[in-house]
Amino acid sequence: NAGVTQTPKFRVLKTGQSMTLLCAQDMNHEYMYWYRQDPGMGLRLIHYSVGEGTTAKGEVPDGYNVSRLKKQNFLLGLESAAPSQTSVYFCASSSSGGHRFFGPGTRLTVL
Amino acid sequence: GQNIDQPTEMTATEGAIVQINCTYQTSGFNGLFWYQQHAGEAPTFLSYNVLDGLEEKGRFSSFLSRSKGYSYLLLKELQMKDSASYLCAVRIMNYGGSQGNLIFGKGTKLSVKP
Repeated sequence: NAGVTQTPKFRVLKTGQSMTLLCAQDMNHEYMYWYRQDPGMGLRLIHYSVGEGTTAKGEVPDGYNVSRLKKQNFLLGLESAAPSQTSVYFCASSSSGGHRFFGPGTRLTVL
Repeated sequence: GQNIDQPTEMTATEGAIVQINCTYQTSGFNGLFWYQQHAGEAPTFLSYNVLDGLEEKGRFSSFLSRSKGYSYLLLKELQMKDSASYLCAVRIMNYGGSQGNLIFGKGTKLSVKP
């Protein structure tokens, strides 16, 4: 059981570039989430999904898009990266609304 | 609005007991979670409280008082490996699915000294 995996682990982008962060889970969880974690800010929810084919906005969705085409995968896209999106991104999953299993994180720097 | 407060940093001695407090002002409370996060790693689940009282799990215990909007995490027999950040998170009903979504506090960085 790999749990929750994320790719890539690290990435450096230039302002205006785009990228997609990949998240996969092998626990058959219905719910998946994308968070960002910034110093002094705590974890903040970007988008989430309560099942395959569904997505919804969290606390800080602007500048991000998501897709959940398969139950085990949840993709986070940045269409035009900005320095304010420099952060550590965590994917998580849960069965219904229970406690979250977090992936190892993606450290993104936007120059 | 939703607000969760925790101390920013704490220091304790190996073998001692430490209590990390969390106070919250939220609407639609539906449970409180504690997570541990070592530097550079992902948060991992420690405990969950939805009813008032104490939940014990080995060296870790968590307490909840819903009427006071208060919880604490108690760590006994501290070990060096307990040096980490501890995150308090409140689940809010009607936000994010049938059981609600989590609002996280900013975390408490605990340093355990020999």
